[in-house]
Amino acid sequence: AQTVTQSQPEMSVQEAETVTLSCTYDTSENNYYLFWYKQPPSRQMILVIRQEAYKQQNATENRFSVNFQKAAKSFSLKISDSQLGDTAMYFCALNIYNQGGKLIFGQGTELSVKP
Amino acid sequence: EADIYQTPRYLVIGTGKKITLECSQTMGHDKMYWYQQDPGMELHLIHYSYGVNSTEKGDLSSESTVSRIRTEHFPLTLESARPSHTSQYLCASSVEGLANEKLFFGSGTQLSVL
Repeated sequence: AQTVTQSQPEMSVQEAETVTLSCTYDTSENNYYLFWYKQPPSRQMILVIRQEAYKQQNATENRFSVNFQKAAKSFSLKISDSQLGDTAMYFCALNIYNQGGKLIFGQGTELSVKP
Repeated sequence: EADIYQTPRYLVIGTGKKITLECSQTMGHDKMYWYQQDPGMELHLIHYSYGVNSTEKGDLSSESTVSRIRTEHFPLTLESARPSHTSQYLCASSVEGLANEKLFFGSGTQLSVL
């Protein structure tokens, strides 16, 4: 069985600072994808960033980047130059190759960006 | 902004009532999903569909049922609502391709059963 664990229920960061959200996962599969989703207070979940497990290079999307450590099964999200609009619940998710959109989610980290 | 819509946004209903949560997408996606999310908790897949007339149960057991008569529509029904069904229900859709199953989510339906 696959699991995803986010050990930080809540975090806060000052505007313009950098914050890192942690995520660990467990799977015996070799081909999979990892995602970070953002759920703002309006509650529509949106994709922040994704990583293919076969790629060693860490994914980057503007101010968002990941630190993917496959051997350690770790997938952290770094948000640089935090903005007030980054305040949201962040979910780490695992998708096994060829299992369609059946994602396994972590418990979420509630991030507050303070002015 | 994703073109996937859920109604109602909030629903408060008494025990024993039959309810249907609506989900529609205008992107032509073959794959659609229902996730259940309790407050402060992770999402759990309860139903999914890979196309018209195809429905499967997800990882989390649910007393709800779904149907997929049209590509764009994936409603979820509870025949007899109970307080244990109180939760947030999120609908999503995806298309396999470059983004390897990027999911688009609706805004969710917050269901409260009294």
